[in-house]
Amino acid sequence: GENVEQHPSTLSVQEGDSAVIKCTYSDSASNYFPWYKQELGKRPQLIIDIRSNVGEKKDQRIAVTLNKTAKHFSLHITETQPEDSAVYFCAASRVTGGGNKLTFGTGTQLKVEL
Amino acid sequence: GAVVSQHPSWVICKSGTSVKIECRSLDFQATTMFWYRQFPKQSLMLMATSNEGSKATYEQGVEKDKFLINHASLTLSTLTVTSAHPEDSSFYICSALLAGERTQYFGPGTRLTVL
Repeated sequence: GENVEQHPSTLSVQEGDSAVIKCTYSDSASNYFPWYKQELGKRPQLIIDIRSNVGEKKDQRIAVTLNKTAKHFSLHITETQPEDSAVYFCAASRVTGGGNKLTFGTGTQLKVEL
Repeated sequence: GAVVSQHPSWVICKSGTSVKIECRSLDFQATTMFWYRQFPKQSLMLMATSNEGSKATYEQGVEKDKFLINHASLTLSTLTVTSAHPEDSSFYICSALLAGERTQYFGPGTRLTVL
């Protein structure tokens, strides 16, 4: 089955700096890679996703890059703000033979300090 | 759009009792729903995939007789934790998939505490 690794487990940045979170996956058939933000005790919320036919996607301060050959993808947050503080999860899924099941990474606790 | 609700939001029960958690898609029909369990400071672990009108598919290591899943309609899936024990205490979250889409929309979660 799919295995998703995520680094770092914790990340502390100063407000206004950039934050980068990296994930690797094992199943070359995975073709959908969402990123979720989860605040303490709340539901995961989709912040951005990318499909395997695209190498990069951007939405305002958030961007995701995908390297299919190396099987890794990254989340980039620019101009970080205190409200960006949360746990971020990457995930991977495939349709064929996977049933759209998401395999999550272990999470990154992002803290944006004033 | 794409709102998913869960009920109850939290529940405390005695060891040995059963607890039912409901997951509803409020404004769309979900042919597939997923149930996850999340322990403190850990990731989401998929327990089972629930398809409307058919038996749920359980992940390896998840006891199907302990975690009963029923997906009776296109907007409702239920998870029943039978004979709950303290080690079942966790945050249970469901998600729903829109037909033809890849995005999973998550419910707010249910905090289960078994005494």
